Amino acid sequence: KQEVTQIPAALSVPEGENLVLNCSFTDSAIYNLQWFRQDPGKGLTSLLLIQSSQREQTSGRLNASLDKSSGRSTLYIAASQPGDSATYLCAILGGSQGNLIFGKGTKLSVKP
Amino acid sequence: GAVVSQHPSRVICKSGTSVKIECRSLDFQATTMFWYRQFPKQSLMLMATSNEGSKATYEQGVEKDKFLINHASLTLSTLTVTSAHPEDSSFYICSARWGANTEAFFGQGTRLTVV
Repeated sequence: KQEVTQIPAALSVPEGENLVLNCSFTDSAIYNLQWFRQDPGKGLTSLLLIQSSQREQTSGRLNASLDKSSGRSTLYIAASQPGDSATYLCAILGGSQGNLIFGKGTKLSVKP
Repeated sequence: GAVVSQHPSRVICKSGTSVKIECRSLDFQATTMFWYRQFPKQSLMLMATSNEGSKATYEQGVEKDKFLINHASLTLSTLTVTSAHPEDSSFYICSARWGANTEAFFGQGTRLTVV
């Protein structure tokens, strides 16, 4: 059974810092991995999708990497801004399920 | 990215009544839609998976007679919470995708409060 873990659970940084969010998963048989952002009381916004054959994806200040063999993914946020404050969720689309398996998220707070 | 619209965003209902939540894919045909429930400070828990034109597949522990899911078209799925009770109060989110292993897009969520 796929399990997804996100570390840290919460992170507070000053504006301008670069930061890394971590995601680990137990079963390397995955189709893809998605990073989402969730603002309080809102739905999920898809940030990046990495297919199993890919090593990384970039969008603006965001860069996500995937290492299937070690069961890890990282989300790198460059030059953080207060508007980046949100909960970031990592989700795996595995081989035996048709649905995404989510981690519990990392709550990011960027202080001005 | 593609747009998934969920309605209503908030609903308050009396205990014993039923509530319907709609999930629409606005700019693509969703072959599969998912319904999740999220408790405070918890991650999303899958309730059921629905494919257009067929019965939904429910996760273990989810009562199919209580949470009725209909996916009658490629752009619309509905979740009806029947005979709602206060313990059904939660944040419900739908998701849709157009292919088996494609990117998933999420609705804005519905905050259900049963009083």
